[in-house]
Parts: sequence; structure tokens; C-alpha cells
Amino acid sequence: DTGVSQNPRHKITKRGQNVTFRCDPISEHNRLYWYRQTLGQGPEFLTYFQNEAQLEKSRLLSDRFSAERPKGSFSTLEIQRTEQGDSAMYLCASSSSSGRLRRTDTQYFGPGTRLTVL
Amino acid sequence: GESVGLHLPTLSVQEGDNSIINCAYSNSASDYFIWYKQESGKGPQFIIDIRSNMDKRQGQRVTVLLNKTVKHLSLQIAATQPGDSAVYFCAVHGYSSASKIIFGSGTRLSIRP
Repeated sequence: DTGVSQNPRHKITKRGQNVTFRCDPISEHNRLYWYRQTLGQGPEFLTYFQNEAQLEKSRLLSDRFSAERPKGSFSTLEIQRTEQGDSAMYLCASSSSSGRLRRTDTQYFGPGTRLTVL
Repeated sequence: GESVGLHLPTLSVQEGDNSIINCAYSNSASDYFIWYKQESGKGPQFIIDIRSNMDKRQGQRVTVLLNKTVKHLSLQIAATQPGDSAVYFCAVHGYSSASKIIFGSGTRLSIRP
């Protein structure tokens, strides 16, 4: 257990429905990341927060996807009008930084939320 | 852009033998490299990392080697145990990004008794 928690662990939904996932990072970590992982592939970066600011978004993050981290602690990832292609594992990771934007730091991953869109 | 590739999608080793998992990356400016282990149904677990100013780093039963000349990274696991069965990902810190990690496609390590 890395200390990063994600809820729910599994979500089954019908195409066209909206879904929301939650991530609680390690408490002292100021950086939070979302990744998507499809079967047989490595995780793909979606977006990244430093405190409450969303600093980077991948082009994988279509306009149906939105992520928030309103108080700089937990984060939510919402997918609107889900499609079957959204079926994947959604992973959250967190890390701490020294405050220098380019500092590399170790990302610790949660267990993921597995989304199945029927 | 950066890309990361693993040489073998699967690797089978005898219990007790050493395992070597290889990885190649494309961007010579990459400066931070990480190995993750992912067991079924779990998120990736940090194993070991190395920065570009080093060639070798050792942990508990694991060693990472970095060859910047040929842009190659390897993970060596000594005395492989059944609990080492997992998918292993090498990952590269995206030089053009503040914090994005770029993962390879993974090598599935299986252990023969």
C-alpha cells in the first residue's frame, strides 16, 4: 500500500453515462497525476496538478474529460458521455517536490479504478 | 517526442536464477529513469530509479544499469523468487514536461519452479 487511495476500485457503466473517480494522494504530496492504462500497455499520462493548479494536460484528455483538485488535496476525474473506448484502468499518482518546477520526484501510484463501459 | 520500448514482452526464468529486463529510450536528453513493478489488479509499484549522471545503482536484490551512449536501460533481479512475478515497466521522465512519466509497454516476468 503506497498511501494513495482511489475510489471506486471498479465501475461499470452504460455508454453515454457520466462517471467520476476520486483520488486521495499521500497527505504531504503536493503533486498529483492521472494516467490511463489499457490492457497490455503501460500507463499513459493524462494530466498533472501542483497543489490546486492543473499545469499540464495530454491531448488524450478530450473535452469529455475534466479533472479538478479544488483544495490541493484530493482530486476527481470526470468522464462525460462515456464511450466504449474509455474502458481502461485509471491510475492516480502523487509525489512531492522541492518547489522547483523541473525537479524530478518519485511518483507513487494508487491501485487504480477499472472502468468498463458497456 | 520521447518514446520508450521494452525488448521482450515476456520473460520466463527459473526460480533462483537472475533476471535481466531490458529497455530502450529515444531521447538522449532524458535525465531520469524509473523501473516499476505491476502485479495483477494493482497499480505500478516503484522499484528503483537512476539519474543520467550515474551508470549503475543497486537496491535490495535489484540493480539498474544505464548506458547513455546507446540509450539503453536494464533491470537485473538477483535470485528471482515467485513473488517477483509481475509486469515490469521502465519509465522515462519526459524532458519536455515538468513531471510527465513516459512508460514502455512492459515485460511480463514469469518464474518457473
